[in-house]
Amino acid sequence: EAQVTQNPRYLITVTGKKLTVTCSQNMNHEYMSWYRQDPGLGLRQIYYSMNVEVTDKGDVPEGYKVSRKEKRNFPLILESPSPNQTSLYFCASSTITSAGSNEQFFGPGTRLTVL
Amino acid sequence: AQSVAQPEDQVNVAEGNPLTVKCTYSVSGNPYLFWYVQYPNRGLQFLLKYITGDNLVKGSYGFEAEFNKSQTSFHLKKPSALVSDSALYFCAVREVIYNQGGKLIFGQGTELSVKP
Repeated sequence: EAQVTQNPRYLITVTGKKLTVTCSQNMNHEYMSWYRQDPGLGLRQIYYSMNVEVTDKGDVPEGYKVSRKEKRNFPLILESPSPNQTSLYFCASSTITSAGSNEQFFGPGTRLTVL
Repeated sequence: AQSVAQPEDQVNVAEGNPLTVKCTYSVSGNPYLFWYVQYPNRGLQFLLKYITGDNLVKGSYGFEAEFNKSQTSFHLKKPSALVSDSALYFCAVREVIYNQGGKLIFGQGTELSVKP
């Protein structure tokens, strides 16, 4: 089954404790992206990657890191989480044409709470 | 800068009536436009997109959207709403920049409630 998986689905942590949220897709997509969803703000893009070793900032990259060492995986790293990073996080992937990315397939989401 | 606006936080419709969820956008050049739906406790699902060509785009579950360049709008429509259409709907836009694309901007979402 074609899918995007995220782990963990739920996470409660404390300020300053480094964490990683994993994302993996089995569709051989070049493009992957991370979003956070907050009430009244919709989805905001954190980082995206056009291919292996190619990443770029979205609209809200502060406090986050990503890496793309393999095509299928795109982990999101919070080196020192803070309460304002409490949110619902989505990973997504898509194919790419010369004009850019196509419609994206989303993972089920990771609900993060930072105390 | 790119931006998307969904002017209604909530839309209430009776089952069987037509529904419209509004979206306006702003980009410097040509847009790619998308609609996604989010059911409770689920990720987003793709509904439809406009890339080029016919201004009326048909998508999943009987939804369609009309691209209006002069009004910079991309409203989502359905002729006859179902209770099961109740969900959160997101409009998204990306500017077409060849070999540079990737940044996608979402609206804040519109909660659609369809009552029996």
